[in-house]
Amino acid sequence: GESVGLHLPTLSVQEGDNSIINCAYSNSASDYFIWYKQESGKGPQFIIDIRSNMDKRQGQRVTVLLNKTVKHLSLQIAATQPGDSAVYFCAEQKRGGGADGLTFGKGTHLIIQP
Amino acid sequence: DGGITQSPKYLFRKEGQNVTLSCEQNLNHDAMYWYRQDPGQGLRLIYYSQIVNDFQKGDIAEGYSVSREKKESFPLTVTSAQKNPTAFYLCASSIRRTGNTIYFGEGSWLTVV
Repeated sequence: GESVGLHLPTLSVQEGDNSIINCAYSNSASDYFIWYKQESGKGPQFIIDIRSNMDKRQGQRVTVLLNKTVKHLSLQIAATQPGDSAVYFCAEQKRGGGADGLTFGKGTHLIIQP
Repeated sequence: DGGITQSPKYLFRKEGQNVTLSCEQNLNHDAMYWYRQDPGQGLRLIYYSQIVNDFQKGDIAEGYSVSREKKESFPLTVTSAQKNPTAFYLCASSIRRTGNTIYFGEGSWLTVV
């Protein structure tokens, strides 16, 4: 079956450093990917998305990289701040599929050390 | 402000009771969804609705029911048939079902007592 997984359940970084959170996906038919941030006890918050016709997309302090050859997705957060502490998870959607077909990863807990 | 509002934030259910979680959105989105989140697991889809008066079962619909009488509202009822209802429930919406980002509400915690 399809699966979206994260390589590390917990990532600890120093404040001000860059963070890289990874996601592996198994369905080569997926063509839309989303990163979410979820703070404790809250709903997931959309961070950035990317379609399979792109390799890279940048937002404010965040960059998503997509490597379709190895089915790998990463989220880079520049100059991490205490407010970046949260669980980050990726989601994938099959080509032609709807949001009802999104597959979500389990998440990586990002911890910012002072 | 535009967004998705879920209520209540915390809810306790006794054995054998049905409870209803409210979800309202003012984003003018056609599609709405209910997910369940358990510790250490990815989100799982319970039900979704593409348009008013239409809804479809997701991966774990057993023990749940929904209605979509208005575009803005998509309430979820957790029935007594759901044997393990304690979880964090998330409502979401998207402009349409296909090819669009989904946005989430703040979630509702349901605990069985």
